[in-house]
Amino acid sequence: KQEVTQIPAALSVPEGENLVLNCSFTDSAIYNLQWFRQDPGKGLTSLLLIQSSQREQTSGRLNASLDKSSGRSTLYIAASQPGDSATYLCASANNNDMRFGAGTRLTVKP
Amino acid sequence: NAGVTQTPKFQVLKTGQSMTLQCAQDMNHEYMSWYRQDPGMGLRLIHYSVGAGITDQGEVPNGYNVSRSTTEDFPLRLLSAAPSQTSVYFCASSYSRQYNEQFFGPGTRLTVL
Repeated sequence: KQEVTQIPAALSVPEGENLVLNCSFTDSAIYNLQWFRQDPGKGLTSLLLIQSSQREQTSGRLNASLDKSSGRSTLYIAASQPGDSATYLCASANNNDMRFGAGTRLTVKP
Repeated sequence: NAGVTQTPKFQVLKTGQSMTLQCAQDMNHEYMSWYRQDPGMGLRLIHYSVGAGITDQGEVPNGYNVSRSTTEDFPLRLLSAAPSQTSVYFCASSYSRQYNEQFFGPGTRLTVL
């Protein structure tokens, strides 16, 4: 059974700082790994999707990497802004289902 | 495109009542799924469908039924609501489960008294 863990559970940084969010998974037989953003009381917005054959994906200030052999993915946010404050979730797609981490709650202080 | 829509946004039920949460998508996606989100536990898959007429169970299916008569709609039925089903419910869709990004609806916040 796939287990997905996100560390840290919460993170507070000053504006402008570069930061890394971590996601680990126990079963490396994944189809893809996806990062989402969730604002309070809202649904999930897809940020980046990395297929199992890929190593990384980039979108603007966001860069996600995938290392299947070590069961890890990271989300790098460059030059953080207060508008980046949200909960970030990672999810792995395996043969039978999609498993989510509990998320990292990010606060970027002005 | 409206994307993935869910109704209602909020619902309060009494123990033992039944109800249906509606989900619709207008992107012609084959794969649709239902999740519940509880504090500190992330999202857990309840049921999913890989196409019209095909459904299967996820991680936490007990107490829920689904059907998929059309590509667009994927309703979730609570047969006899219990306080343990108090949660936020999200519907999602994608072209396929394995290879495509998932799009989520805004969620339904359900409270069972």
